[in-house]
Amino acid sequence: EAGVAQSPRYKIIEKRQSVAFWCNPISGHATLYWYQQILGQGPKLLIQFQNNGVVDDSQLPKDRFSAERLKGVDSTLKIQPAKLEDSAVYLCASSPGLAGGRNGYEQYFGPGTRLTVT
Amino acid sequence: AQSVTQLDSHVSVSEGTPVLLRCNYSSSYSPSLFWYVQHPNKGLQLLLKYTSAATLVKGINGFEAEFKKSETSFHLTKPSAHMSDAAEYFCVVSTGGFKTIFGAGTRLFVKA
Repeated sequence: EAGVAQSPRYKIIEKRQSVAFWCNPISGHATLYWYQQILGQGPKLLIQFQNNGVVDDSQLPKDRFSAERLKGVDSTLKIQPAKLEDSAVYLCASSPGLAGGRNGYEQYFGPGTRLTVT
Repeated sequence: AQSVTQLDSHVSVSEGTPVLLRCNYSSSYSPSLFWYVQHPNKGLQLLLKYTSAATLVKGINGFEAEFKKSETSFHLTKPSAHMSDAAEYFCVVSTGGFKTIFGAGTRLFVKA
């Protein structure tokens, strides 16, 4: 079974530029997550999709970050314009269903995209 | 509201000695609880999970955790540490299907 794919793996941009990350989840997984992991911290959930609908984006800085999941499969996370504090690893994860509740589905993580903003 | 607190940012043990990584949580609903491990330059991997079934949960590589509702804790243990256990460990709480929160992480060092 293929895992969660992310690209690019590394990206260096200057502040105020824009950047986009792509994620291809495991086939058949309904739930897709984007996390931001700043060095030395735990991942912070930015947005969670159930199929192609957003179920939680409460921690997404909507003035500069946007995300979409077209057709309930692949997803793209965009930052425009980038700030120095956006330097982090951006992780994509997927699961068959929601992580909470009685089923408690495991999340499968991609390798991440390391973003450096200079 | 929900939150998760990992009580130690760093834990150092000798190879062959027990491991204890502590995690406390708060949740307004019945939570699902997870432990994930992150080895250097590798992706996050599930160690084990609790989803309201047995309170003592066994995971991969000899790890286990016990859900204690009265203490709101979900500590991770292993009887005997191995060098390959050196990594970052994250306690995670999910409730109501919508909210997933990671702890700040505990880095485990294993001395030969």
